Amino acid sequence: EVQLVESGGGVVRPGESLRLSCTASGFTFDDHGMSWVRQAPGKGLEWVSGINWKGGSTAYADSVKGRFTISRNNAKNSLYLHMVRLRAEDTAFYHCARGKHGGYGPQDYWGQGTLVTVSS
Amino acid sequence: DIQMTQSPSSLSASVGDRVTITCRASQSISTSLNWYQQKPGKAPTLLISAASTLQSGVPSRFSGSGSRTDFTLTISSLQPEDFATYYCQQTYSTPFFGPGTKVDMK
Repeated sequence: EVQLVESGGGVVRPGESLRLSCTASGFTFDDHGMSWVRQAPGKGLEWVSGINWKGGSTAYADSVKGRFTISRNNAKNSLYLHMVRLRAEDTAFYHCARGKHGGYGPQDYWGQGTLVTVSS
Repeated sequence: DIQMTQSPSSLSASVGDRVTITCRASQSISTSLNWYQQKPGKAPTLLISAASTLQSGVPSRFSGSGSRTDFTLTISSLQPEDFATYYCQQTYSTPFFGPGTKVDMK
């Protein structure tokens, strides 16, 4: 059974940093690209960042480019999102999602998400 | 970035109704279009990829069509478990979701 479990969310002040993690199981992790998708409470889905199966190619939404960094450790079946200079508008549930193929999408399995709250 | 729009933003329907949701891309995306279903408090699930490929386990009452800029998700006979919000997403370039269509009970 495919499982994706996010961790690392919490409450931070504007300008601070946070690192999210996602632990994957039930599939061959390095066969798939991975993404982070966020959803502010009561709002729609926003694709945030993606990384290909090997980690050599990454992409970001314009809203986070230059502030967020995605990475992966295939030996640990783990995906990460390092977020700096956080803003109030970054407040959201952050979901880890598996790419159906080796690139950035579509996302065929999702974790339940970890909540990031940016507030002074 | 390639932007996505959806219509309608919400609709009310009854069990057994045929439901159609439209998604439009700001430029051609070939068939790199995916549809997701999301129920309250749950993570989204992938219904259809590549415009018309039904994911394993998804009921055949769901279908997708379209290419280039105009796409459609059709539910042939709405069932009680289909009341949810539906999102399209382009993966032709940096992935981008549409704003969503909420399907609720009439």
